[in-house]
Amino acid sequence: GESVGLHLPTLSVQEGDNSIINCAYSNSASDYFIWYKQESGKGPQFIIDIRSNMDKRQGQRVTVLLNKTVKHLSLQIAATQPGDSAVYFCAENRAAGNKLTFGGGTRVLVKP
Amino acid sequence: NAGVTQTPKFRILKIGQSMTLQCTQDMNHNYMYWYRQDPGMGLKLIYYSVGAGITDKGEVPNGYNVSRSTTEDFPLRLELAAPSQTSVYFCASSYSGPEGQPQHFGDGTRLSIL
Repeated sequence: GESVGLHLPTLSVQEGDNSIINCAYSNSASDYFIWYKQESGKGPQFIIDIRSNMDKRQGQRVTVLLNKTVKHLSLQIAATQPGDSAVYFCAENRAAGNKLTFGGGTRVLVKP
Repeated sequence: NAGVTQTPKFRILKIGQSMTLQCTQDMNHNYMYWYRQDPGMGLKLIYYSVGAGITDKGEVPNGYNVSRSTTEDFPLRLELAAPSQTSVYFCASSYSGPEGQPQHFGDGTRLSIL
């Protein structure tokens, strides 16, 4: 079936460097995408979202890029900090009821 | 605001027992959801509700039941617990509307079936 997936299960990054987390989706009808951060023992926390009529959206230290041609989504974290260590999930919305389909997650480890 | 509150945080059940996982939200969201998350995996939708009195199945509904008598509460019922239901359960809520909206999550209930 159609799904949202991630290329890299684990990403190690030096503190202060930029992080890039990638996500592929297969349904061209998807019109809304979200990135979540999940820390150990916590629920997913909303980071940033983007709609299909946009290519790029920026937040505080985070940027989401959407390439609809190749069905690819990425999350860029600038100046990665120890507090950014977590699992990051992308999710897509393509169904009534605001239902989300989640990818498998990428663990980001920040090295001091 | 408390957001989405789930109780209990932890629970151990014996095979065949039943229990209700509680979820309440104070954001006046119409939409509510239940997910399960197995170790090292993403979230899978169990059930969802688009308003009081309306519920529908998600991807993995077998072994679970839900009800939605009020806007605030969306309890998840496990009948005849099985080891395969050992997981972390997350409740979420969101605004309704024609366009996508972010879902807001509780901190989960960690359930072990022994």
